[in-house]
Amino acid sequence: EADIYQTPRYLVIGTGKKITLECSQTMGHDKMYWYQQDPGMELHLIHYSYGVNSTEKGDLSSESTVSRIRTEHFPLTLESARPSHTSQYLCASSEFGQGAFFFGPGTRLTVL
Amino acid sequence: SQELEQSPQSLIVQEGKNLTINCTSSKTLYGLYWYKQKYGEGLIFLMMLQKGGEEKSHEKITAKLDEKKQQSSLHITASQPSHAGIYLCGADLGGTASKLTFGTGTRLQVTL
Repeated sequence: EADIYQTPRYLVIGTGKKITLECSQTMGHDKMYWYQQDPGMELHLIHYSYGVNSTEKGDLSSESTVSRIRTEHFPLTLESARPSHTSQYLCASSEFGQGAFFFGPGTRLTVL
Repeated sequence: SQELEQSPQSLIVQEGKNLTINCTSSKTLYGLYWYKQKYGEGLIFLMMLQKGGEEKSHEKITAKLDEKKQQSSLHITASQPSHAGIYLCGADLGGTASKLTFGTGTRLQVTL
């Protein structure tokens, strides 16, 4: 079982609030990812990181930002949440050059 | 257009029946990953395939990657209610194992 954690699991907030979704992994993986999953089940990569101080935007444009100050921690921030940000956010990690990507349990965000 | 197509989109089978889910790409699948997801939760890693013609099994689930490395199938033998969920294929389309592109998902229901 993968050791990757996300908090909160569920979040309901009002429009305009600033929020941070937390993601931590204890496997020492270099690579970490944020995916957004729409109700149609498809996952879209919004951010990724290959290591400390490395962050890149993914395939799907997102108004969120990320940081990677520590290997184990990859938080995602929305400065001003909007209803269009309502979605499931999944964090993942993998070891550099290796196979399996491990996913956290997800954060289901609802913006009213 | 979708880089990774899954079929069928949804599937309802009677307990004890066999089923197959397909994942197809017009690009080479350098690494192909199968995941299972319960509604509202994270992705559970099932299997990873990398070589053309490779086949792996775990309990009643078998995954195959074709010789051309453009199609993979997931076969469940004698389905059980515990197999119900969403099955997603993810692929390394760039050959660098740096990020995964996901298919559209298959929702499986198993009836008694």
